[in-house]
Amino acid sequence: AQKITQTQPGMFVQEKEAVTLDCTYDTSDPSYGLFWYKQPSSGEMIFLIYQGSYDQQNATEGRYSLNFQKARKSANLVISASQLGDSAMYFCAMRPRTDKLIFGTGTRLQVFP
Amino acid sequence: KAGVTQTPRYLIKTRGQQVTLSCSPISGHRSVSWYQQTPGQGLQFLFEYFSETQRNKGNFPGRFSGRQFSNSRSEMNVSTLELGDSALYLCASSSIQTGEETQYFGPGTRLLVL
Repeated sequence: AQKITQTQPGMFVQEKEAVTLDCTYDTSDPSYGLFWYKQPSSGEMIFLIYQGSYDQQNATEGRYSLNFQKARKSANLVISASQLGDSAMYFCAMRPRTDKLIFGTGTRLQVFP
Repeated sequence: KAGVTQTPRYLIKTRGQQVTLSCSPISGHRSVSWYQQTPGQGLQFLFEYFSETQRNKGNFPGRFSGRQFSNSRSEMNVSTLELGDSALYLCASSSIQTGEETQYFGPGTRLLVL
């Protein structure tokens, strides 16, 4: 069965510190995409970063990087130098080939001064 | 390039009514997906359209339906509304329908059923 697991309901981090949000996935499909989205209180889902199952290198986008460990089926999001504006819900998602996009339950990140 | 737009942004209906939500994808995108988000159930996939054809469907009752037009704009309809249909409905678009293609989301439509 296709599944995404985010075990951290909430995380706290101090401004300017780095934080890692955990994500594990399960799929039998050899080809899939992994995504992270940010959802502020306004509700809009903002795309952060993408990792393909065949990508050899970890994806990076500015302060965001994805720690992809294929054998362990994990795709953790690392946010470096946290900012107050990073406070939001973060969702890990996976899409196997032409199947639907599956979301985890999310992690609420709170950045404090 | 303009992002995904959804109308209306907020909607209040009563039980038994029907509602139609609209989604305009990013220009050039041909795939549109719909999701329902509730505090209890999280994000659930409703359906996906590509080039006017429904390609994937989630586990929702037949009261939930959708369609896509030749210009890739999409609508979803919910008939005989129930209190449990109160949710944030998100639309997402992508240029093609594969696992490698990023879906970009609109701001959502918040539906409240009284």
